[in-house]
Amino acid sequence: EVQLVESGGGLVQPGGSLRLSCAVSGFTFSNNWMSWVRQTPGKGLEFVANMNQDGSVRNYVDSVKGRFTISRDNAKNSLFLQMNSLRAEDTAVYFCARDPGFSAFDFWGQGTMVTVSS
Amino acid sequence: DVVMTQSPLSLPVTLGQPASISCRSSQSLVHNNGNTYLNWFRQRPGQSPRRLIHMVSNRDSGVPDRFSGSGSGTDFTLNISRVEAEDVGLYYCMQGTHWPTFGQGTKLEIK
Repeated sequence: EVQLVESGGGLVQPGGSLRLSCAVSGFTFSNNWMSWVRQTPGKGLEFVANMNQDGSVRNYVDSVKGRFTISRDNAKNSLFLQMNSLRAEDTAVYFCARDPGFSAFDFWGQGTMVTVSS
Repeated sequence: DVVMTQSPLSLPVTLGQPASISCRSSQSLVHNNGNTYLNWFRQRPGQSPRRLIHMVSNRDSGVPDRFSGSGSGTDFTLNISRVEAEDVGLYYCMQGTHWPTFGQGTKLEIK
């Protein structure tokens, strides 16, 4: 059974940092692109970042470039999102998702809530 | 970025009746390789999105055959032949041909 389990969300002040994790099982993690997608009531679903199998290619939505870093540990079947300089508009549920190609997002985690507020 | 526009945004349907959701993109979704990367997702309350259809018309494993996808270029449709209670939720189209973007969602509810 495929499972993606996010953790690390929480309440943080503007300007603060959080590190999200996504633990994966049920498929060969090291063979797959992986992505982070976030969801807010106002903007809906938004692609945030993705990374290829060995980490040599990373893509980010413009609004998080320079602040967020996607990474992975293939030995531990884990995906990460380091979020720095957080802003109120980063408040969202963050999902990790498998990307089998062209952002087809066939498996998703349950999401972790990030709230940026003073 | 490619803008994905869904209609209607709210879709009340009687059980057993058909339902149809439209999705239009601001640019053609035909990739240079000839494929069209248009997906449909459903999100039930309190759950994460689940992919139903990929590449316009390919149903995912376990998706009932009452769901079908069609379209080409910039105009796409998700059809449900006979709505059941379990179909309630938010439906999103999403394109992966260009920088990935989602539609704003269509809320399907039972009348």
